[in-house]
Amino acid sequence: DIVMTQSPDSLAVSLGETATIYCKSSQSVFFTSNSMNYLAWYQQKPGQPPRLLFHWASTRESEVPDRFTGSGSATDFTLTITNLQADDAAFYYCQQYFDSPYTFGQGTKLELK
Amino acid sequence: QVQLLQSQDEVKNPGASVRLSCEPSGYAFSVYGISWVRQVRGQVLEWMGWISPRNGRTAYAPKFQNRLSLTTDMSTDTAHMDLKSLQSDDTGIYYCVRDRTNYDASVGDPHWFDPWGPGALITVSS
Repeated sequence: DIVMTQSPDSLAVSLGETATIYCKSSQSVFFTSNSMNYLAWYQQKPGQPPRLLFHWASTRESEVPDRFTGSGSATDFTLTITNLQADDAAFYYCQQYFDSPYTFGQGTKLELK
Repeated sequence: QVQLLQSQDEVKNPGASVRLSCEPSGYAFSVYGISWVRQVRGQVLEWMGWISPRNGRTAYAPKFQNRLSLTTDMSTDTAHMDLKSLQSDDTGIYYCVRDRTNYDASVGDPHWFDPWGPGALITVSS
């Protein structure tokens, strides 16, 4: 199985500042045939199911603010949230869909400082 | 608006089986796959398996291979998840999710999940 490791496990960031979450895969999730990174990011708030933020590592879903940016390639990926808002407090998960079983990172808890 | 309606929470004894249902709306059922993802120990997300309503193909995570069965009922556009031999560590929230791929689960087929159903809590306890 491809192991996804996120860092940090939690972070506290002040309103208006930038939060950066890292995701590392145990093997590359870059598919050479189509030059795509098979990685998604999700946001989960308490009592709610996860919500897709990005697929293909950097393709933002509609209605996701452009303060959110997904980047990276192969084994190292980053989710960056600029101008942090109160509504951004949540858990964030990365997920690889390069190969079955599709696996998630352990999650990163983002809190407001 | 795309929604996935899930069946209700369940309480089961160890060793029992459970069937969950998922009824998507707002899109043509056969155009997307359905995956089941569970969240256990409060935070850990685990993909369990995928089914294509289009062709009936399935793919299961190895840890669930022997006790998980995914099916679809094309007459009611409903997906079902059957999990047997439940143990206490199966306690968690089980999500039905719309899966990007409706054809196969080979390398190169994209499987991201959007949207997610509200989840059904399965509690396994004696």
